[in-house]
Amino acid sequence: EDQVTQSPEALRLQEGESSSLNCSYTVSGLRGLFWYRQDPGKGPEFLFTLYSAGEEKEKERLKATLTKKESFLHITAPKPEDSATYLCAVIMDTGRRALTFGSGTRLQVQP
Amino acid sequence: GAGVSQSPSNKVTEKGKDVELRCDPISGHTALYWYRQSLGQGLEFLIYFQGNSAPDKSGLPSDRFSAERTGGSVSTLTIQRTQQEDSAVYLCASSLASGGDTQYFGPGTRLTVL
Repeated sequence: EDQVTQSPEALRLQEGESSSLNCSYTVSGLRGLFWYRQDPGKGPEFLFTLYSAGEEKEKERLKATLTKKESFLHITAPKPEDSATYLCAVIMDTGRRALTFGSGTRLQVQP
Repeated sequence: GAGVSQSPSNKVTEKGKDVELRCDPISGHTALYWYRQSLGQGLEFLIYFQGNSAPDKSGLPSDRFSAERTGGSVSTLTIQRTQQEDSAVYLCASSLASGGDTQYFGPGTRLTVL
């Protein structure tokens, strides 16, 4: 069964303390991997799309990387406004067009 | 430009009543998706529309759930005879096409069934 697993479930960082979130996937064929940010009471906000192993995308303090088995979202020198739930999702290369989501990582950055 | 919009933002209903949730996708996006987000369940796919093709209904949890998309744009998700377990946030997303294109989400409708 295709699965997406995110770790850790929750992460508390001090402002400026860099870290990484993990998304591992077991899918029969990956068409694309997506990272979203979700704030309480809001819909997921798109961050990055990665299509092939070795690909990297960067935006401000965030950098996403992809291997054949997992993706990392690196957060460099985070600020309190980076606090949110980060969701990883995949689309498989098997015809189904819907996203399969992980359960998310709740990030809290303390000043 | 405008993003995906959904209405209402909140809906409280009584068990057994029918509800309709509306989604306006981003202009020009041909693919439209409905997802549900429940506490402890994460985000789960419900139904997907692509152009004039038959929708993919494989995620609908029961025959009480249905959706339509009129004119290739606005979509309505209908839940008949609501149950307490239907309480969740219903999210709509749209994308340019259905391949690996990025899906953009609306703010969601929070449904509470009393």
